[in-house]
Amino acid sequence: GAVVSQHPSRVICKSGTSVKIECRSLDFQATTMFWYRQFPKQSLMLMATSNEGSKATYEQGVEKDKFLINHASLTLSTLTVTSAHPEDSSFYICSALKNTEAFFGQGTRLTVV
Amino acid sequence: AQSVTQLGSHVSVSEGALVLLRCNYSSSVPPYLFWYVQYPNQGLQLLLKYTSAATLVKGINGFEAEFKKSETSFHLTKPSAHMSDAAEYFCAVSERGGQNFVFGPGTRLSVLP
Repeated sequence: GAVVSQHPSRVICKSGTSVKIECRSLDFQATTMFWYRQFPKQSLMLMATSNEGSKATYEQGVEKDKFLINHASLTLSTLTVTSAHPEDSSFYICSALKNTEAFFGQGTRLTVV
Repeated sequence: AQSVTQLGSHVSVSEGALVLLRCNYSSSVPPYLFWYVQYPNQGLQLLLKYTSAATLVKGINGFEAEFKKSETSFHLTKPSAHMSDAAEYFCAVSERGGQNFVFGPGTRLSVLP
């Protein structure tokens, strides 16, 4: 299989601050990574597609200036939630594409207080 | 465009009883189909996947699913439920390149003693 590691698993931050979440493919190179958001008792919603060396593609309704995505290397994509507010509290999950299969990280529980 | 529906947001079964979680999909191209399990506050774990080989797919933890093109279905079954099977289950569809990965709304499985 393939391993995708997400860090941190939990983070609590104050309203107005920024939080960075890392998604790493540990044993393979991933040209494409995906970021999802999951609200309580709901399914995963794709936020954006991250491509190494180019700008991310955001889904409709996702603010690209608020959710900054950087995919600077073939093993790392980062999601930065800027000027976080309580409504940004959610479970964020990344996945990395290996060949034609997506492998998921463990998720990050973000709580904004 | 692709979509996934899961009939029943919550399914309860008795320990030892048959588990049946329903998934129907819509896809304009031959799909890849997946079932994932999510335990509370955790990421996704792949149970099984269909990628155009055998239509009956066996996964981990005794689960299996059958791809039925005529019914556009990919229902998940397990002959005998265990308490540890209680979790949220997501059906997902993607194009064969791993692109356009779409999740269903999820089904919460409860196992009663």
